[in-house]
Amino acid sequence: KNEVEQSPQNLTAQEGEFITINCSYSVGISALHWLQQHPGGGIVSLFMLSSGKKKHGRLIATINIQEKHSSLHITASHPRDSAVYICAPLRLGGSQGNLIFGKGTKLSVKP
Amino acid sequence: NAGVTQTPKFQVLKTGQSMTLQCAQDMNHNSMYWYRQDPGMGLRLIYYSASEGTTDKGEVPNGYNVSRLNKREFSLRLESAAPSQTSVYFCASTMVSTGEETQYFGPGTRLLVL
Repeated sequence: KNEVEQSPQNLTAQEGEFITINCSYSVGISALHWLQQHPGGGIVSLFMLSSGKKKHGRLIATINIQEKHSSLHITASHPRDSAVYICAPLRLGGSQGNLIFGKGTKLSVKP
Repeated sequence: NAGVTQTPKFQVLKTGQSMTLQCAQDMNHNSMYWYRQDPGMGLRLIYYSASEGTTDKGEVPNGYNVSRLNKREFSLRLESAAPSQTSVYFCASTMVSTGEETQYFGPGTRLLVL
């Protein structure tokens, strides 16, 4: 069983829709990263969070450490949001060498 | 700032050949990482270096060696390439600031081993 599960695997939305991507994990963690991988392959770090909620522009990330669950929300989605979104928990007690990665959620936003 | 740079961008090797993937960062980060990404799988850590002069194995180190040449550079070497090493390789470095950790990724190297 994978330690990190993301859902859905693929998501198609219309421009303007509210998007939710979910991440569940089975190990104890101290923090969790959300990454964005562009269609060209480049990877950008969006958030690191260890509790509660963070907001950057139209992106909102939430985490519930006890329930072992995090969500990434995109408000007013736009075609430029089309990318793969990757959840990466940091194992408890680990250095950055203990990041584990989900397989990603591929988002396509249609105009 | 160029951020994290990787060379080459693309490489084709024959089984048994050797090569070194180069990575450099100009952000004065202490920690650097090498990952591989395969279709249908998440990123997997090959090796990392928490600071200049130290390296540690990650999840999938077999068939690879690394060198942390200085604070800027972290290279990944394949001594005898195998088709199973066909993958996209990403180098990353980490900035730690007031409890926040941000990973910066290079553009990736696509490696095909025939």
